[in-house]
Amino acid sequence: QSALTQPASVSESPGQSITISCSGTSRDIGGYNSVSWYQQHPGKAPRLMIYQVSNRPSGVSNRFSGSKSGNTASLSISGLQAEDEADYYCSSYRRGSTSYVFGTGTKVTVL
Amino acid sequence: EVRLVESGGGLVQPGGSLRLSCAASGFNFGAYWMTWVRQVPGKGLEWVANIKEDESEMSSAESVQGRFTISRDNAKNSLYLQMNSLRAEDTAVYYCARDSYGWGSHDYWGQGTLVTVSS
Repeated sequence: QSALTQPASVSESPGQSITISCSGTSRDIGGYNSVSWYQQHPGKAPRLMIYQVSNRPSGVSNRFSGSKSGNTASLSISGLQAEDEADYYCSSYRRGSTSYVFGTGTKVTVL
Repeated sequence: EVRLVESGGGLVQPGGSLRLSCAASGFNFGAYWMTWVRQVPGKGLEWVANIKEDESEMSSAESVQGRFTISRDNAKNSLYLQMNSLRAEDTAVYYCARDSYGWGSHDYWGQGTLVTVSS
């Protein structure tokens, strides 16, 4: 099953903002409001940051926001902090033989 | 406190079998879809399988269909993954995760258990 497409890496200075894209098709991102975003620090389990495109679970900073346009979803992080340095993965429901699919992952570096 | 603890990982030869378990506590296990996700060390996440609260629905990734079976025992608050005909490419850390908010959003994850398929 092919993964959703994310940029391999994004870098920015503390206090700045970044946006991570997640590209799919009409069978997944474009067809459903099922996009989730996860943050993963080295050696740790993933942490849910955004669900159903733009909703934040309790405890997640409002510096994190999600959106979707057509077949592409985005995660934005404002006011970058050192603790935001991690890998980020999108996921979506996909119509067909595989129910869910993750993105390729983006390494965020805070310079 | 919600806790998910995986066990059962280890070294197995190609073609062999392994059964992973995930012990859940701190929440009403029988009220949630549950999912297995795996990650090759240093690589990305891969969705493996999920199962409905009452086992009436389950799905699995194409890469494991016909070889892996997900199941649960709500009376024991446990999730399982029976893995047969294991291949080298199944080597990964396997996580169990709780699905909340619908649409495969996993709000709690275990710490993972490493499965190594090698001769």
